Amino acid sequence: GQQVMQIPQYQHVQEGEDFTTYCNSSTTLSNIQWYKQRPGGHPVFLIQLVKSGEVKKQKRLTFQFGEAKKNSSLHITATQTTDVGTYFCAGPVNDYKLSFGAGTTVTVRA
Amino acid sequence: DAGVIQSPRHEVTEMGQEVTLRCKPISGHDYLFWYRQTMMRGLELLIYFNNNVPIDDSGMPEDRFSAKMPNASFSTLKIQPSEPRDSAVYFCASSLVGAMAHEQFFGPGTRLTVL
Repeated sequence: GQQVMQIPQYQHVQEGEDFTTYCNSSTTLSNIQWYKQRPGGHPVFLIQLVKSGEVKKQKRLTFQFGEAKKNSSLHITATQTTDVGTYFCAGPVNDYKLSFGAGTTVTVRA
Repeated sequence: DAGVIQSPRHEVTEMGQEVTLRCKPISGHDYLFWYRQTMMRGLELLIYFNNNVPIDDSGMPEDRFSAKMPNASFSTLKIQPSEPRDSAVYFCASSLVGAMAHEQFFGPGTRLTVL
């Protein structure tokens, strides 16, 4: 079945630096969603990408959907302590069922 | 507006006991999902409902787990009998068909510890 893989599993970042986390699917995706889970919290929807090659920005976060719609990336610039948490990508198995990646857990060194 | 509501927030029980987790989805949402999150297995979908009807329960680990949705505003996930390996955070999420993003709104979760 369709699986979504994320790398890296952990990302330790110096405050102010940039980093990127990647999501790869074994199959073509109709769309991909990104969620953020703060420590001790619950996943919160960030964004959905639908179109091949789509790029969306939310302040310091840039999301990209690959041309083949089998991979995606999240790039964060000038990392802040508020960026701490686990970032999940999720691809649809059907219209409403999502397969979540294992997540990238981000810690920030002040 | 209230988000997804789950209760209890924490549950500690002994092996063999029955556990019932509760969820109230966002009003008007017609999809409800139950997830389990552990360090080892990540976020796993257990079951989901559409208009109160179970659609896919292939993620339910075994017969000890059951879920119901008697009406549009309430769902339960029951574990009977519970085992230590059931210890996890259980999330309920809801979604609205027809929404542009089909995003899922997660509740705060129930942290279950089975001793």
